[in-house]
Amino acid sequence: KQEVTQIPAALSVPEGENLVLNCSFTDSAIYNLQWFRQDPGKGLTSLLLIQSSQREQTSGRLNASLDKSSGRSTLYIAASQPGDSATYLCAVQVTGANSKLTFGKGITLSVRP
Amino acid sequence: NAGVTQTPKFRILKIGQSMTLQCTQDMNHNYMYWYRQDPGMGLKLIYYSVGAGITDKGEVPNGYNVSRSTTEDFPLRLELAAPSQTSVYFCASSYPKETQYFGPGTRLLVL
Repeated sequence: KQEVTQIPAALSVPEGENLVLNCSFTDSAIYNLQWFRQDPGKGLTSLLLIQSSQREQTSGRLNASLDKSSGRSTLYIAASQPGDSATYLCAVQVTGANSKLTFGKGITLSVRP
Repeated sequence: NAGVTQTPKFRILKIGQSMTLQCTQDMNHNYMYWYRQDPGMGLKLIYYSVGAGITDKGEVPNGYNVSRSTTEDFPLRLELAAPSQTSVYFCASSYPKETQYFGPGTRLLVL
């Protein structure tokens, strides 16, 4: 059974810092990996999707990498801002699973002004 | 283009009552999903559908039912509500193997 782990559960950094959020998964037979952002009391917003054949994806100040063989992904946020404060969830889509996602519990990020 | 919409936003139920959570998407996605999110936890899949007339159980289906009569709508039915069903419920939709788009959620409290 696929398990997705995100550690630590919470992170606090000063504004302007570059930071890395980690995600690990147990089954490397994945179709893709997705990073989502969730603001308090809101739904999830997709940030980046990395196909299993890709190594990384970039969008603005965000860069996500994927290492299938080691079961790891990282989300890099450059020059963090207070507006980046949110919970970041990682989810994997297992091959042959009808596009179902398995989620980690998320990392709650706080960026201090 | 409204994306994925959910109603109601918030509801309080008494133990044993029933209700239907509504979900509609206007992106013509084949796939739709229902998740629940408990505090400090990730999302758990309740039910999903790969097209009109086709539904299947996810990880935590007990106490819930779904139907999919149209591409756009995927209602979630709670029968005999229990305190363990207190949660935030999210509906999502996607094309196969593509990004999932989420609704704003329904917060349910069972007392």
